Amino acid sequence: KAGVTQTPRYLIKTRGQQVTLSCSPISGHRSVSWYQQTPGQGLQFLFEYFSETQRNKGNFPGRFSGRQFSNSRSEMNVSTLELGDSALYLCASGQGLEQYFGPGTRLTVT
Amino acid sequence: KNEVEQSPQNLTAQEGEFITINCSYSVGISALHWLQQHPGGGIVSLFMLSSGKKKHGRLIATINIQEKHSSLHITASHPRDSAVYICAAEGPGFGNEKLTFGTGTRLTIIP
Repeated sequence: KAGVTQTPRYLIKTRGQQVTLSCSPISGHRSVSWYQQTPGQGLQFLFEYFSETQRNKGNFPGRFSGRQFSNSRSEMNVSTLELGDSALYLCASGQGLEQYFGPGTRLTVT
Repeated sequence: KNEVEQSPQNLTAQEGEFITINCSYSVGISALHWLQQHPGGGIVSLFMLSSGKKKHGRLIATINIQEKHSSLHITASHPRDSAVYICAAEGPGFGNEKLTFGTGTRLTIIP
């Protein structure tokens, strides 16, 4: 089976812009979770989707949102980008408690 | 306050040494994950434990539910084991967080 894929892999945006990141889970996985990794805060949970419904949400402002489509692909959106949003964004798909991570999207906000 | 603590933060060892990385957590969990992250960022899930012990090649992970503690061991360490190792806990005690992560252990194996 193909692994978790994320697009794009690298992205540079300007403060105030918005960005959409995409995650395609492993075939058959219905759960997709998103995480942010920064040097200062480490890895932090953003949200989890299961069968198109947000199941859990971490402690992030409303500028961070996401959705999941009927084919389990997921997108996350960050509006009004801030410099502090520069990070590696990882998604993971899972079955049960197992988690399989994608390669990440490295977002730089200038 | 991070509810998942890892030690040590950094570890440098000679090739062949036995490595132990520790993870402790503050509340009951449903699962404890050990992850490996190489430079460039990709994360590989090494183990998912809810009890006992798991082994994969030279890697062994153990968990003691009563003591809220898990360890990752690497036998006969090799320079290719150099990476950041992260533990992550999952369970109702962590509220809405799918996974709560430790701060990571940066392991360097010197040839």
